[in-house]
This record gives sequence, C-alpha cells and structure tokens, in this order.
Amino acid sequence: EVQLAESGGAVVQPGGSLRLSCAASGFTFDDYTMHWVRQTPTKGLEWVSLISWDGAITYYAGSVRGRFTISRDNSKNSLYLQMNNLTTEDTALYYCAKDMTSGLDGDGMDVWGQGTTVTVSS
Amino acid sequence: SDVLTQPPSVSVAPGKTATITCGGANIGSKTVHWYQLRPGQAPVMVIYDDSDRPSGIPERFSGSNSGNTATLTISGVEAGDEAEYYCQVWDSSHDHRDVFGTGTKVTVL
Repeated sequence: EVQLAESGGAVVQPGGSLRLSCAASGFTFDDYTMHWVRQTPTKGLEWVSLISWDGAITYYAGSVRGRFTISRDNSKNSLYLQMNNLTTEDTALYYCAKDMTSGLDGDGMDVWGQGTTVTVSS
Repeated sequence: SDVLTQPPSVSVAPGKTATITCGGANIGSKTVHWYQLRPGQAPVMVIYDDSDRPSGIPERFSGSNSGNTATLTISGVEAGDEAEYYCQVWDSSHDHRDVFGTGTKVTVL
C-alpha cells in the first residue's frame, strides 16, 4: 500500500526551528517529485515547497523562501523540511505529498500523508 | 500570479448535483487538479488533468476547464461527499509554484 507518514510537528517559539520528516512506503520513492503543503483554518491549503526526484531542484513559496529548506534521502525513502526563523504565520498542519510524476510542471499530487501539526507560539 | 477563486460553500441535497467552480485568469490554458479534504483524513485527489479520475474515484466525480473557469461536478451526491474541495494549478509564469484555490465547503443537506 502506498503510504506517507509525517512526523516532527511540535509547539515552538517564534524565531525557533523545527525539522519535519516524511517516511514513504509502497512505491519507488526516487521515481517521483515530492511536495510539502500546509493547511490552516483561515488560509486553507498553501503549497510550501517541492523537490525533484534526485534532490537537485527545489522550489519554494515566497512566504517561506530563505527560511525553509526541503531535502530528501532516497536511500531512506524519506523527505524532510527544515524550518527556521518560524513565525506565528507558520502555524499549520503540514502534509507531505507525492507528485504523479518525476516532472516539475504541476502534474498533481496523488498521495498525501495525514499531516503533522506545527504550532508557533510564545 | 494566479489567484484561484472558489465559492466558500455549496449546499446540496442527497442525490442531487453539486457544482464547484474555480475561477482564474485564462485558467483554461492551464491544467487543473482537484482535491477532497475531510477532517482527520489525508487529502484525496479526485480529479487530475482537468477531467481525469484517479483509480478508485467514483464516476460521479467529473471535471471540466475552459476560459476563466474550471468546474468540479459531483453527481448523485452522497453524505460521504461532504468535505472541503480545492482546485490547484501550476504557475510557471514567473515563479515556479503550485497554487491552490480558496476552497469550497460542500454540505450535504
């Protein structure tokens, strides 16, 4: 069964850092582009970042560029999101999602995890 | 940049048809995907490439895209279809990024 399982969410103070992980199973991980997407009650879904199958190419939403870093370890079937200089605006449920292809032109996300919650609060 | 506008809510009686629109400038020239979000569950892709259904998605779900509006249609609505629905496109114009619509809450009466 194709599965994604996020972990690492926590309560953190503004200015703090956090690293999210996503464990993939049931498919050939290094065949696909991967994404991070977040959800809040007020803004709905917001795309955060993507990484190419080999980790060579990354894209970020403007709201996180320069603060967040996406990476992957294909030997461990794992995706990561390093989040630095967190603000209250980063409070959200964070999902990892599998792209339908190895492409980088919006092929859609066909598998999602259950999400992990990040709360930024003093 | 893309701004994708959806109605905040749609209410529909069981067995009837729910229509959810996704408005954006010249969205018909882009490829649209749709997702279903139920509380406490992983999001599910229900339509990709404007009108294709992933494996396991009922034929009741259909999509179209033309001009400035993409549409998700749910025919013969069931109680289990009550959820939030989001459209999504890829913006490669000047800033490589995925863009989600504002989301629509579908309520089954």
